[in-house]
Amino acid sequence: EAGVAQSPRYKIIEKRQSVAFWCNPISGHATLYWYQQILGQGPKLLIQFQNNGVVDDSQLPKDRFSAERLKGVDSTLKIQPAKLEDSAVYLCASSLAGGGGTNEKLFFGSGTQLSVL
Amino acid sequence: GNSVTQMEGPVTLSEEAFLTINCTYTATGYPSLFWYVQYPGEGLQLLLKATKADDKGSNKGFEATYRKETTSFHLEKGSVQVSDSAVYFCASRGQAGTALIFGKGTTLSVSS
Repeated sequence: EAGVAQSPRYKIIEKRQSVAFWCNPISGHATLYWYQQILGQGPKLLIQFQNNGVVDDSQLPKDRFSAERLKGVDSTLKIQPAKLEDSAVYLCASSLAGGGGTNEKLFFGSGTQLSVL
Repeated sequence: GNSVTQMEGPVTLSEEAFLTINCTYTATGYPSLFWYVQYPGEGLQLLLKATKADDKGSNKGFEATYRKETTSFHLEKGSVQVSDSAVYFCASRGQAGTALIFGKGTTLSVSS
């Protein structure tokens, strides 16, 4: 089966510019996650969607980050304006259903590596 | 809130050496515990998991046992291979529907 698709693979921008990342989850997966992975650290959850609704965005810096999943399938994450500390790998993950058991398996994309100069 | 702490890396071993990567967790209630692996140039993959105390997760020769008394989930492998070189992440997941909480990751480098 096709995995979680993300694009672009790499992005280099200057601070204060805007950037957008795209994610297409595995077909039929209701739950979609965006994680931020700063070099040398583990992934940190930014936002979790269940279909097209937000389940958890408590760690999303809402003054500059936004995300949407309008049709409950693919999703975009935007940063506007970017700061130097936003340099990281942005990972998208999906699972069949987030409301199920605590052992629900997540499938991760390869990520988008963002460098802010 | 929930958190995961894992040993600092990098861990450098020779082929066929014994591997232990320590992981401890803090949580309210009884989380499910996971080890994820990230091979160079690839995305995160689930390596193994355990959902309750005393469960042992295993895969590809790796094992980890859910120890409630020590709040630990240490990853072990009896004989590592060069192909095991990767970054390993311990993670926990609490209530149903909540997201994974990851540790900082431990880089393993195995030489022949």
